[in-house]
Amino acid sequence: GENVEQHPSTLSVQEGDSAVIKCTYSDSASNYFPWYKQELGKRPQLIIDIRSNVGEKKDQRIAVTLNKTAKHFSLHITETQPEDSAVYFCAASETPKGAQKLVFGQGTRLTINP
Amino acid sequence: NAGVTQTPKFQVLKTGQSMTLQCAQDMNHNSMYWYRQDPGMGLRLIYYSASEGTTDKGEVPNGYNVSRLNKREFSLRLESAAPSQTSVYFCASSEPRARYEQYFGPGTRLTVT
Repeated sequence: GENVEQHPSTLSVQEGDSAVIKCTYSDSASNYFPWYKQELGKRPQLIIDIRSNVGEKKDQRIAVTLNKTAKHFSLHITETQPEDSAVYFCAASETPKGAQKLVFGQGTRLTINP
Repeated sequence: NAGVTQTPKFQVLKTGQSMTLQCAQDMNHNSMYWYRQDPGMGLRLIYYSASEGTTDKGEVPNGYNVSRLNKREFSLRLESAAPSQTSVYFCASSEPRARYEQYFGPGTRLTVT
């Protein structure tokens, strides 16, 4: 089955700098890659996702890149702000025909230092 | 529109006790899921239901059972709780035909002593 590895497990950056979180996956059949953000004590929420027919997707300060050949994808956050502090999870799945069986990475705790 | 709701928020059980975690969604989604979240291990899928009347095992189903009561409700049962089941449990729902996002409930923090 699918295995998703996420690095680093913790990341600390200065406010205004960029943050990059990387994930690798094992199953070449996976073609949907979402990123979820979980603030302390809260539920995970989708922040951005990418499908395998594109190599990059941007939404304001957040971008995701995908390299299907190498089986890795990354989350890029630019101009970081204190409210970006959270745990971020990557995930992978095949395009759901019915239910969507996401396999999550282990998570990255991002801390933005003022 | 409450989204996905879960009860209870917190629960403490003794080893061997049983309990049912409740989940409901009001978004008319077909698919529902149960995850557990443990430190350093991300979210792991326990069981899922593609549609009303169907359920399937996920990555870590041992020690759990589920019931898709109707389109809105999906419950998770621990028949004989073990300390290894101490975790935070999240229910989620999605409508794959519309978009792929999974919407999560607020979670249930379960401690088994």
